[in-house]
Amino acid sequence: IAGITQAPTSQILAAGRRMTLRCTQDMRHNAMYWYRQDLGLGLRLIHYSNTAGTTGKGEVPDGYSVSRANTDDFPLTLASAVPSQTSVYFCASSAGGNPTDTQYFGPGTRLTVL
Amino acid sequence: GQSLEQPSEVTAVEGAIVQINCTYQTSGFYGLSWYQQHDGGAPTFLSYNGLDGLEETGRFSSFLSRSDSYGYLLLQELQMKDSASYFCAVRAMNTGFQKLVFGTGTRLLVSP
Repeated sequence: IAGITQAPTSQILAAGRRMTLRCTQDMRHNAMYWYRQDLGLGLRLIHYSNTAGTTGKGEVPDGYSVSRANTDDFPLTLASAVPSQTSVYFCASSAGGNPTDTQYFGPGTRLTVL
Repeated sequence: GQSLEQPSEVTAVEGAIVQINCTYQTSGFYGLSWYQQHDGGAPTFLSYNGLDGLEETGRFSSFLSRSDSYGYLLLQELQMKDSASYFCAVRAMNTGFQKLVFGTGTRLLVSP
């Protein structure tokens, strides 16, 4: 069982380009999340999905979009990348619906926007 | 909104005991979680406190006092591999969806 996979591992991107970060989980979890992690700021929620077909905005959604066409995949798209989106991006999932749910994190994508 | 405070860095020696504190402000509180993250790695779950009191898992324990909006993570018999960042996170309700809000992390440096 792989858990959560993310691709690419790292990417250098020119400002203004479109980029999709991929996230796939094989745990049949209902809920999935995207976070960004910046030095000194901890993890901040970008978007989330309670279940396939639904998505919601987190703390810092501007400049990002997500889709949840099925249970396993939760891609994050930067429509027109800007340097402030340079960060490490983590995808996570949880079974969903239970206060004791543990979130399981993918290995992360290190994105640099120049 | 939600906010959490935890020390930015703690240092200790192998075999010692260290306590990492976390205070929080939030509405719709559902519990306090702790995650560990090694440099370059992904956060991994350590513990969860939904009710007041102490939860013990091996060398790690976590405490919660809801009346004080305060919790801590206690690490005993420290090992070098415990050098990592530790994040407290509150479970809070947002428009019907439970989410985690993370603190900025405490970097623990364990020396020989």
